[in-house]
Amino acid sequence: EDQVTQSPEALRLQEGESSSLNCSYTVSGLRGLFWYRQDPGKGPEFLFTLYSAGEEKEKERLKATLTKKESFLHITAPKPEDSATYLCAGVSGGSYIPTFGRGTSLIVHP
Amino acid sequence: DTAVSQTPKYLVTQMGNDKSIKCEQNLGHDTMYWYKQDSKKFLKIMFSYNNKELIINETVPNRFSPKSPDKAHLNLHINSLELGDSAVYFCASSQDLPPKRLFFGSGTQLSVL
Repeated sequence: EDQVTQSPEALRLQEGESSSLNCSYTVSGLRGLFWYRQDPGKGPEFLFTLYSAGEEKEKERLKATLTKKESFLHITAPKPEDSATYLCAGVSGGSYIPTFGRGTSLIVHP
Repeated sequence: DTAVSQTPKYLVTQMGNDKSIKCEQNLGHDTMYWYKQDSKKFLKIMFSYNNKELIINETVPNRFSPKSPDKAHLNLHINSLELGDSAVYFCASSQDLPPKRLFFGSGTQLSVL
């Protein structure tokens, strides 16, 4: 069974304090690893798709990386507006359906 | 124009009632999905349609029935609502299969009293 596990469940940072979120996956024949951001009361907003180990993508203060077993979302010098829940999902080569992790709730204090 | 739109935004109803949630996408995508998000933010796939054909039907009670009248619409009908059905339901679409990304609607918060 495909599984995606995110850690930590919750993370509190001070503004400017860099950190990383982890996404471990056991997905058969991975066809893509998604990162999404979700604000309260809204739908998930797309950040990145990674396809192969060693791949990296960046957007403003966020950088996503991928290995054969996990993905990291690095947040450099975060600001309070980066506070949100970050969701990771793996796309199975069998079902083609994205399986989501339970998310990491990030709070950045000013 | 909103890419993936769901109605209603909020739905409050009594146990035992039947309700529907509508979803429309104007992106020209071939694949649409329904996800259920629980109070702990866990998104779980319920159904997926590709070109109006059901391709994924996870372990969901028979009380839930998706209907896709055309590629742009995927509606969710729920019979005999139960307390445990309370959640946020998200519709999503993708251009490709496997998807390169999902486009989500803003969600429907269902509260069963």
